[in-house]
Amino acid sequence: KAGVTQTPRYLIKTRGQQVTLSCSPISGHRSVSWYQQTPGQGLQFLFEYFSETQRNKGNFPGRFSGRQFSNSRSEMNVSTLELGDSALYLCASSLSPGNQETQYFGPGTRLLVL
Amino acid sequence: AQSVAQPEDQVNVAEGNPLTVKCTYSVSGNPYLFWYVQYPNRGLQFLLKYITGDNLVKGSYGFEAEFNKSQTSFHLKKPSALVSDSALYFCAVRDNSNYQLIWGAGTKLIIKP
Repeated sequence: KAGVTQTPRYLIKTRGQQVTLSCSPISGHRSVSWYQQTPGQGLQFLFEYFSETQRNKGNFPGRFSGRQFSNSRSEMNVSTLELGDSALYLCASSLSPGNQETQYFGPGTRLLVL
Repeated sequence: AQSVAQPEDQVNVAEGNPLTVKCTYSVSGNPYLFWYVQYPNRGLQFLLKYITGDNLVKGSYGFEAEFNKSQTSFHLKKPSALVSDSALYFCAVRDNSNYQLIWGAGTKLIIKP
């Protein structure tokens, strides 16, 4: 069974631009969560989607948004990029929401904002 | 406020020696605690969890963790470290209000041959 895939793996943008990251969950998984990982900060929860609906949202500004499609694939978008948005963005999928022990993570998209 | 602390940014251990990676937590209600490992260029992997029951929890790759309620700690341990254990380790606790995980900052474990 293929794992969680994230595209692109690496991205370089400049301040003010916007970016869209994609996540394809494990087949059969309907819940997708997004996290921001920065050195010294650990993982910060961005949002969780299940059946195309956002179920939970972390404490991030409105510049961060996401969506989920009917095939459970998910995208997150960051508008008006700031230097502080440079991070590793992780996507995780699970069969259902809140199922952390069966949550599988993708390798991440590393975003660098210049 | 609910939080997780991993007091050590880095832990260095010689191969074959026992290792401990520390984690303390603060959470309302019963703690649901987790350890994850992140190898370079690979996704985070679930190692083990504590929900209830025996305070010593066994997980993947020979790791175990000890839950101590009075000290609000959940330290990760392994009796004999391998060089391949070198990775970034994260402790997390579930926020019982929204079932999301609150993550520690991570501890880099370096096992030297």
